[in-house]
Amino acid sequence: GDSVVQTEGQVLPSEGDSLIVNCSYETTQYPSLFWFVQYPGEGPQLHLKAMKANDKGRNKGFEAMYRKETTSFHLEKDSVQESDSAVYFCALSINAGNMLTFGGGTRLMVKP
Amino acid sequence: AAGVIQSPRHLIKEKRETATLKCYPIPRHDTVYWYQQGPGQDPQFLISFYEKMQSDKGSIPDRFSAQQFSDYHSELNMSSLELGDSALYFCASSLRLAGKNRETQYFGPGTRLLVL
Repeated sequence: GDSVVQTEGQVLPSEGDSLIVNCSYETTQYPSLFWFVQYPGEGPQLHLKAMKANDKGRNKGFEAMYRKETTSFHLEKDSVQESDSAVYFCALSINAGNMLTFGGGTRLMVKP
Repeated sequence: AAGVIQSPRHLIKEKRETATLKCYPIPRHDTVYWYQQGPGQDPQFLISFYEKMQSDKGSIPDRFSAQQFSDYHSELNMSSLELGDSALYFCASSLRLAGKNRETQYFGPGTRLLVL
């Protein structure tokens, strides 16, 4: 079956540090890729997405490149802020209206 | 903009009781999804509906059932509750336009179910 792997359960950068949160996926089909952000007590919110290979999703200084050759969709930011602290989920979906398959999530805690 | 509405937001039940969770999708959205998120876990897909018909089925226990009504709202019915059913239950909705793929799912705030 389809799967998404996030290797870091938690990352603890300081404000102003650069950030890379890893996401790798596995599927036999051609997925759409997403990053969702979740704040305490809330549902996941779409953060950025990429629909096809070599697309780059962007939002609020974050970027992620859909790399089919390495089956990856790493989340990057040049300079993190304390307000970026949240749990980030990488996810994929196949075809119209299909379910999302989530990675295990990465808790980002930015130190002031 | 209107968002996905879920009720109740919090629910406490005892083992072997039943529970009904409700989801009201964003207006004009035709597809509803249910996810279960355990403590510290990622959301796991349970079931989805498109135009009131079951679309996909994930890891939904046989004790659970769901449906989508004519006004597109959906209900998740949970029977014979077990301690392990304690989790956040999210509903998401999307608009599946004919001929287009990969529409975004918008999540509700969730229902926190605690089974004692």
